[in-house]
Amino acid sequence: NAGVTQTPKFQVLKTGQSMTLQCAQDMNHNSMYWYRQDPGMGLRLIYYSASEGTTDKGEVPNGYNVSRLNKREFSLRLESAAPSQTSVYFCASQSGTVFPDTQYFGPGTRLTVL
Amino acid sequence: GDSVTQMEGPVTLSEEAFLTINCTYTATGYPSLFWYVQYPGEGLQLLLKATKADDKGSNKGFEATYRKETTSFHLEKGSVQVSDSAVYFCALSDWGNKLVFGAGTILRVKS
Repeated sequence: NAGVTQTPKFQVLKTGQSMTLQCAQDMNHNSMYWYRQDPGMGLRLIYYSASEGTTDKGEVPNGYNVSRLNKREFSLRLESAAPSQTSVYFCASQSGTVFPDTQYFGPGTRLTVL
Repeated sequence: GDSVTQMEGPVTLSEEAFLTINCTYTATGYPSLFWYVQYPGEGLQLLLKATKADDKGSNKGFEATYRKETTSFHLEKGSVQVSDSAVYFCALSDWGNKLVFGAGTILRVKS
């Protein structure tokens, strides 16, 4: 039982390049989330998927797109990376069937945009 | 909108000292409250939670009480260890199960 896994762990991009961050969970959770973590700002929600087949914007969605590929996988895409997107990105999941629910986090992806 | 305010860090303590990390919140409804911990190089993990007023969450020697009258959820531990060094996040959740985080407080414990 791996929990929530993320790839890659580290990435350096040049301004304007694109990339996709991958996230998978093996806990049969319905809901999945993407956050970014910046110094002094805590975690901010980028996008979330309450259930397979649905996605919604969070607090800071601009410059990002997401795909809920199936119940296990939820990817985050940067179409044209900007230095302001330099951050640590976390994926999380929760069962979505109880309230209040615990979110389980992946180990994070540290992204630097030059 | 909903928000969470935590005391600024870093907080530096000697081993066996008493810890308090303050957390206050603003919410329109009756949220659930959480403390998450992030150890170096890792993702966040749930430390404790409380779902209604006067509930006390506890885990690994840490405690926090949901105080509706002061809109607070302060984290306490009677005797910290070096292994408690981490970043601590206070968070709230509404009925949509989305979390709103505070900025995080760095705790450093010296031996």
